Amino acid sequence: GENVEQHPSTLSVQEGDSAVIKCTYSDSASNYFPWYKQELGKGPQLIIDIRSNVGEKKDQRIAVTLNKTAKHFSLHITETQPEDSAVYFCAASIGDSWGKLQFGAGTQVVVTP
Amino acid sequence: GAVVSQHPSWVICKSGTSVKIECRSLDFQATTMFWYRQFPKQSLMLMATSNEGSKATYEQGVEKDKFLINHASLTLSTLTVTSAHPEDSSFYICSAPRGAGTEAFFGQGTRLTVV
Repeated sequence: GENVEQHPSTLSVQEGDSAVIKCTYSDSASNYFPWYKQELGKGPQLIIDIRSNVGEKKDQRIAVTLNKTAKHFSLHITETQPEDSAVYFCAASIGDSWGKLQFGAGTQVVVTP
Repeated sequence: GAVVSQHPSWVICKSGTSVKIECRSLDFQATTMFWYRQFPKQSLMLMATSNEGSKATYEQGVEKDKFLINHASLTLSTLTVTSAHPEDSSFYICSAPRGAGTEAFFGQGTRLTVV
């Protein structure tokens, strides 16, 4: 079936450095790619998303790039801070339904002071 | 503030009993809601699509008779785990898009523990 692969599974960075998480997807019909941050015991929080007609989007320290031809998208966090420590999930819409998502396996990001 | 609210946030039940989880959209109407399940240290897996006024659509491998979904109003979907067993212990999360072609907001999740 369709799936979303996410790498790495864990990522340790020094405070102030950048963090990059990469995902690939297989459903050619996917047209919406959100990224979520999940803290322990809580639901996922949307941090940034990108639509298939856009190649890059930035919001302060967070940016996402999308290569629809290669079916991969990436999350970039610059100037990382300890409060960025969490599990991050990428997701791709199942077909063109933005609410119906297939998630990657998640990346545990640890930012050390 | 939260635009999708789940209740309860956690519940412990005995094996064999049923548990109902509510998902409410607080400031918008949602004709469609989604239910996900997340086991510890794993990703979210889509269980079913809840459709207001009609039957839910279940993903492959999800037992519709075990996970009853009711979407009786435009702001409320409920998931009932029937005859719960310890292997049903998980984090259940709902989401609702604010409108067609818009992002979906997630609830805070419900931690179910079956003992």
